[in-house]
Amino acid sequence: EAQVTQNPRYLITVTGKKLTVTCSQNMNHEYMSWYRQDPGLGLRQIYYSMNVEVTDKGDVPEGYKVSRKEKRNFPLILESPSPNQTSLYFCASSPTMTDTQYFGPGTRLTVL
Amino acid sequence: GENVEQHPSTLSVQEGDSAVIKCTYSDSASNYFPWYKQELGKRPQLIIDIRSNVGEKKDQRIAVTLNKTAKHFSLHITETQPEDSAVYFCAATGYSTLTFGKGTMLLVSP
Repeated sequence: EAQVTQNPRYLITVTGKKLTVTCSQNMNHEYMSWYRQDPGLGLRQIYYSMNVEVTDKGDVPEGYKVSRKEKRNFPLILESPSPNQTSLYFCASSPTMTDTQYFGPGTRLTVL
Repeated sequence: GENVEQHPSTLSVQEGDSAVIKCTYSDSASNYFPWYKQELGKRPQLIIDIRSNVGEKKDQRIAVTLNKTAKHFSLHITETQPEDSAVYFCAATGYSTLTFGKGTMLLVSP
């Protein structure tokens, strides 16, 4: 089954404790991206990757890191999480940027 | 970078009415305009998209129109049904990013 998976689905952590949210897709898509969704603000792009080893900042990259060592995986890293990073995070993939984006199920992160 | 404005933020209609959601964008180089539907507690899913070389596209009860000169595009839903209730997001491409509007909550009352 073609899908985008994210783990964990829910995470409660404390300020400053490094965490990684994994994202994996099995559709051989080149374009992958991370979004955060906050009430009233819609979906805001954090980082995107147009292919392996090619990543770039989106609209809200501060406090986040990503890597794209393999085509299928695109982990999101929070080196020192802060409460303002409490949000719902979605990973998405697509063949190219101008194709249907397939979203993962989301990760709800709470930073205390 | 690209800026996408979406209106209205909330839209309430009666079942069977039409609903229209409008978006404007700032980057004249944008060439891809998708619309996503997000039901409560679910992930966004594409419902329709349009490219800059097309002025209108229709898929059953859903249609999208694009006016490149004015830099705005709209989603039209006819004969609305309760299952159309959701949050709808428009988006536009910049150089290599996809910028979303803030969303419209559509409520369809039986």
